[in-house]
Amino acid sequence: AQSVTQLGSHVSVSEGALVLLRCNYSSSVPPYLFWYVQYPNQGLQLLLKYTSAATLVKGINGFEAEFKKSETSFHLTKPSAHMSDAAEYFCAVTKYNFNKFYFGSGTKLNVKP
Amino acid sequence: DTEVTQTPKHLVMGMTNKKSLKCEQHMGHRAMYWYKQKAKKPPELMFVYSYEKLSINESVPSRFSPECPNSSLLNLHLHALQPEDSALYLCASSQGTGGGKVTEAFFGQGTRLTVV
Repeated sequence: AQSVTQLGSHVSVSEGALVLLRCNYSSSVPPYLFWYVQYPNQGLQLLLKYTSAATLVKGINGFEAEFKKSETSFHLTKPSAHMSDAAEYFCAVTKYNFNKFYFGSGTKLNVKP
Repeated sequence: DTEVTQTPKHLVMGMTNKKSLKCEQHMGHRAMYWYKQKAKKPPELMFVYSYEKLSINESVPSRFSPECPNSSLLNLHLHALQPEDSALYLCASSQGTGGGKVTEAFFGQGTRLTVV
């Protein structure tokens, strides 16, 4: 079965500091992995996706993530946090030929001035 | 156009009412989804339509009835809901897995449903 685990339901960083949001996947086959962001009372917006083309994936708003098979991880990073990055972040997984996206429990990012 | 449009944005309904949520996309996507999201929780999959046919029903109660009239539209008919059904209902679409390709899901802004 597909699943993702997000470590840390809340992460707090200062503006300008490094953002690191953790995601580990469990998969018996090569997965397809995604990071989504959700602002209050809104839908989910795709930040970036991994579909096996490259292990380091760059997304929107300065975010990137690295797929590490040996660690079964797909952590999201951003070198310098901005106040506008405060939101809920979800890691998601699916696999080829399977129309089902599994979401992690989410990490709420707080950015302090 | 990379937009999934959901209407209405907010809905308050009584437990004896019948209402419908609507979702529309014009990206040519062949997979469409309904998710339910409670506060501070991740989205939970309810239904998946693939090529306008219901392909996944995650054991959703029959008071929720999905419908896919054509490849661009997805409805969720609601009847005799309970207060615990209050949540954000999200529609999403993706290209589908035909052609050996997995693509991301695009989400609408959601309908905030309150059952009183």
